[in-house]
Amino acid sequence: DARVTQTPRHKVTEMGQEVTMRCQPILGHNTVFWYRQTMMQGLELLAYFRNRAPLDDSGMPKDRFSAEMPDATLATLKIQPSEPRDSAVYFCASQDGMNTEAFFGQGTRLTVV
Amino acid sequence: LAKTTQPISMDSYEGQEVNITCSHNNIATNDYITWYQQFPSQGPRFIIQGYKTKVTNEVASLFIPADRKSSTLSLPRVSLSDTAVYYCLVGDDGTDKLIFGTGTRLQVFP
Repeated sequence: DARVTQTPRHKVTEMGQEVTMRCQPILGHNTVFWYRQTMMQGLELLAYFRNRAPLDDSGMPKDRFSAEMPDATLATLKIQPSEPRDSAVYFCASQDGMNTEAFFGQGTRLTVV
Repeated sequence: LAKTTQPISMDSYEGQEVNITCSHNNIATNDYITWYQQFPSQGPRFIIQGYKTKVTNEVASLFIPADRKSSTLSLPRVSLSDTAVYYCLVGDDGTDKLIFGTGTRLQVFP
């Protein structure tokens, strides 16, 4: 049963610390999305990649966030330094081509205190 | 910026048919219309996708009029487990970016 795997599922960290969230997309999927979800803002698209190349990261605060795909089986989202306002659930999704079903991971619930 | 408008919430009872309408007045020629479902503490899950007319699968139907400026997700005979947030998405300027709006929170009562 192919699925998108995100780690960690939960993370509590202190303000100022670096946070790294990882995502393993479904094997063979060439598009990866990162989203952030909060009660106030809903689901926000932070960045997305196709064939490991970043296509759009305009939704991401550039001063502290960075997203990469070191290889086709791993996508990372880093926050440095983290702030309390970064507390949210971060979702990764992968997709095989355009206009197809996107599969979401279970999310990483981040709490910055 | 999301290009869709949906009701914020809807209530229904078990066994009823639920229709959720989404407006997408500025849909582009090559945009598909896709619906996702999200349960608390889970990621969104694909329900159905269509381009025009009617699409049906094992869980829902999607009705799209000829002008494609709106679409209606139909859930037949809902159950308590259909309580969730439903999102309507259209393409974004010919790209495959998935932009989520506020969604419709469906509450099904016994």
